[in-house]
Amino acid sequence: QKEVEQDPGPLSVPEGAIVSLNCTYSNSAFQYFMWYRQYSRKGPELLMYTYSSGNKEDGRFTAQVDKSSKYISLFIRDSQPSDSATYLCAMSKNSNSGYALNFGKGTSLLVTP
Amino acid sequence: GAVVSQHPSWVICKSGTSVKIECRSLDFQATTMFWYRQFPKQSLMLMATSNEGSKATYEQGVEKDKFLINHASLTLSTLTVTSAHPEDSSFYICSATSTGSSGNTIYFGEGSWLTVV
Repeated sequence: QKEVEQDPGPLSVPEGAIVSLNCTYSNSAFQYFMWYRQYSRKGPELLMYTYSSGNKEDGRFTAQVDKSSKYISLFIRDSQPSDSATYLCAMSKNSNSGYALNFGKGTSLLVTP
Repeated sequence: GAVVSQHPSWVICKSGTSVKIECRSLDFQATTMFWYRQFPKQSLMLMATSNEGSKATYEQGVEKDKFLINHASLTLSTLTVTSAHPEDSSFYICSATSTGSSGNTIYFGEGSWLTVV
């Protein structure tokens, strides 16, 4: 079993829809949870960062972490065509000298006008 | 702001040759950098942890003699793919962590596309 599981999609939604992206994980030692957006042939771009359980909101994006269920989510409100990208969840279990991230496979999102 | 620069962005090399990829932290020092590899439609997979002044730590299944990592200074780590083969063609990307008063921030390079022909 991989440590981080993520449905690769693709996920296609109309403009303005609410998008829900999810990841599950198996390692209870993970403490830091991140969502990255990656456009084709580019490096990942950090969207949201959460420590431990809880919710975090930033504009149209909301990240949720449920450590008891080992389940994290990213919600995108009022989705736009420019949100079309691959969304990667990532998590880490230490912070002493840097973060080695465990990534999900990424979910490909297409927002159609 | 803090930036991680990766060079080259694109490289094509002949099978059997070696290619070096550089990862630089431009305005912060990083004692630890990480190298990832991403095959098409796959996730980023951690290859190795690059430690300044000491040997790199490789993930299981990554050949240390094939993927040479050198972290000679606090701002530069290099990944050398030795005796490259077509199956090594992939997207290689590094990351470094900036430590500040507001906490740690991970920065990724833009990545390097390697094609071995």
